[in-house]
Amino acid sequence: GAGVSQTPSNKVTEKGKYVELRCDPISGHTALYWYRQSLGQGPEFLIYFQGTGAADDSGLPNDRFFAVRPEGSVSTLKIQRTERGDSAVYLCASSFDSGRTGELFFGEGSRLTVL
Amino acid sequence: AQKVTQAQTEISVVEKEDVTLDCVYETRDTTYYLFWYKQPPSGELVFLIRRNSFDEQNEISGRYSWNFQKSTSSFNFTITASQVVDSAVYFCALRYRNEKLTFGTGTRLTIIP
Repeated sequence: GAGVSQTPSNKVTEKGKYVELRCDPISGHTALYWYRQSLGQGPEFLIYFQGTGAADDSGLPNDRFFAVRPEGSVSTLKIQRTERGDSAVYLCASSFDSGRTGELFFGEGSRLTVL
Repeated sequence: AQKVTQAQTEISVVEKEDVTLDCVYETRDTTYYLFWYKQPPSGELVFLIRRNSFDEQNEISGRYSWNFQKSTSSFNFTITASQVVDSAVYFCALRYRNEKLTFGTGTRLTIIP
């Protein structure tokens, strides 16, 4: 498809497990963003990639969260030792440029539930 | 620090009525960008509009219009002659010197047929 693709759409896991969430951005988009949206809240910034490098990871809540984008396209958000508080929808977005003036195109999100 | 406030948590109107969604922002920067996004039940955030801080002209796009007032730090969104398909959560967002979008908490709009 032409849009941002995120997999899985739903993930249920147990506390303490490891989780990977994948984002496939729009082809040619150099900027990629991860956001987290809790129930009834607006999306909160986690990390931003420009190409392969993380340009800003100041939103990652702690060192259990990590994200990579090794070839400057697909990105994986990794969560270690999951906690119930990690339950949320994880949104990925991409942009043609840095996104400073352009729009971000969002995927439908990966809903993570930690039991 | 930057902040976006959407004081209206939920709004319900009858179809064909006009409705205004409020957005108030805080930033110390003089150059910034304001956005509105729509989030339908599918969950995907859909871009509606971007405004830079130097352009205070109001904008109209079909049934949608936006009123940007720097004096009150507001960027309100009006839907004219609302339709059931307008039912969604609407987010106002702000970006300044860095690449992050700071979102408000959203307003859930329900259009009653």
